[in-house]
Amino acid sequence: KNQVEQSPQSLIILEGKNCTLQCNYTVSPFSNLRWYKQDTGRGPVSLTIMTFSENTKSNGRYTATLDADTKQSSLHITASQLSDSASYICVVSATNAGNMLTFGGGTRLMVKP
Amino acid sequence: DVKVTQSSRYLVKRTGEKVFLECVQDMDHENMFWYRQDPGLGLRLIYFSYDVKMKEKGDIPEGYSVSREKKERFSLILESASTNQTSMYLCASSMTSPVKGTEAFFGQGTRLTVV
Repeated sequence: KNQVEQSPQSLIILEGKNCTLQCNYTVSPFSNLRWYKQDTGRGPVSLTIMTFSENTKSNGRYTATLDADTKQSSLHITASQLSDSASYICVVSATNAGNMLTFGGGTRLMVKP
Repeated sequence: DVKVTQSSRYLVKRTGEKVFLECVQDMDHENMFWYRQDPGLGLRLIYFSYDVKMKEKGDIPEGYSVSREKKERFSLILESASTNQTSMYLCASSMTSPVKGTEAFFGQGTRLTVV
């Protein structure tokens, strides 16, 4: 069964600090992996996409990494801001599953002043 | 910008009521989805549709039905609402494309409370 596991479930950091969120998956055959950000009371919005051949990709203060061999991804947030407080969801799609997505449970990040 | 609009942000319904959640997208996407999101369980797929008048069960379809009479509109129906259907409901759409199609565009969510 395709699964996506995220850790930690929740995280509290001080403004200005860095943090790293983890995602492990067993989805196969792998197509791509996306990180979504979900603000409280809103729907998730895609932050970045990682395909099989990509190891790292940056989007401003967000840097995603992918190790397709170990089936792990991370999202690193640099110099955190209060607006980074949100849930971050890892979503993996398989090549043989049409547009079906497997969602992780999310990491709830709180940035405190 | 892609826009997915859900008809209500908050709903309170009584047990046994028939509930309609409406979702409209304006990007001519072929695929539409209904998820529910609960603390500790993440997003779970209820139903999806790849085309007009077409529907497929997701992981948790029991107690729900859907309707897609027009390409831009996908409705979720709770035939007889129960308290265990209290949840956040999220509608999403995506295009049919190997890579771009894996980006789901979400509505703002409907928080349904069944009392």
